[in-house]
Amino acid sequence: GQSLEQPSEVTAVEGAIVQINCTYQTSGFYGLSWYQQHDGGAPTFLSYNGLDGLEETGRFSSFLSRSDSYGYLLLQELQMKDSASYFCAVRPHRGGFKTIFGAGTRLFVKA
Amino acid sequence: GAVVSQHPSWVICKSGTSVKIECRSLDFQATTMFWYRQFPKQSLMLMATSNEGSKATYEQGVEKDKFLINHASLTLSTLTVTSAHPEDSSFYICSAHRLQGSTGELFFGEGSRLTVL
Repeated sequence: GQSLEQPSEVTAVEGAIVQINCTYQTSGFYGLSWYQQHDGGAPTFLSYNGLDGLEETGRFSSFLSRSDSYGYLLLQELQMKDSASYFCAVRPHRGGFKTIFGAGTRLFVKA
Repeated sequence: GAVVSQHPSWVICKSGTSVKIECRSLDFQATTMFWYRQFPKQSLMLMATSNEGSKATYEQGVEKDKFLINHASLTLSTLTVTSAHPEDSSFYICSAHRLQGSTGELFFGEGSRLTVL
């Protein structure tokens, strides 16, 4: 089977740093992605890790350790607009781009 | 960036009727599109993979005859919810990826919120 575990909720204040962890157990693995979704909206792509290590994109960074089946999304300099749900997602196969999503972490950013 | 358009955004229908949702890739060709279903404050559940020119591949537990998928061209996939019932009420989202690129980034449509009365 396929499972991705991430915390259900995280609360932080503006300007802070928050880390959202994700552990996965999938039949195969060909990359971990992160998506952001605001209430009522469509998910948007944030980052992708195909290999171990850290990927940085502006205020967002994502990390992967394939040996630990673990990754995280790091959000720095939090802003109110970052309040949203964040999903980790795994491509279990190299071809086809089929993607399985975690349950999502709701991030609440307080003033 | 790539754009995927979904229509309609909202639809309300009576029990027993069928509803068609369209998903279009506007600036790229998509041989494969994916249909997801999402309940409020929950994850995206993959329903099926839509394959251009061939049958869709359904995930375990998804009724093929209930959720008809057609991928007639490289830019259009449709999902038809047949004989809809209130339990089919949900947010349906389609997605597609570019053929080029290695990240597998999915581009999502705006979603279609279905309410069955």
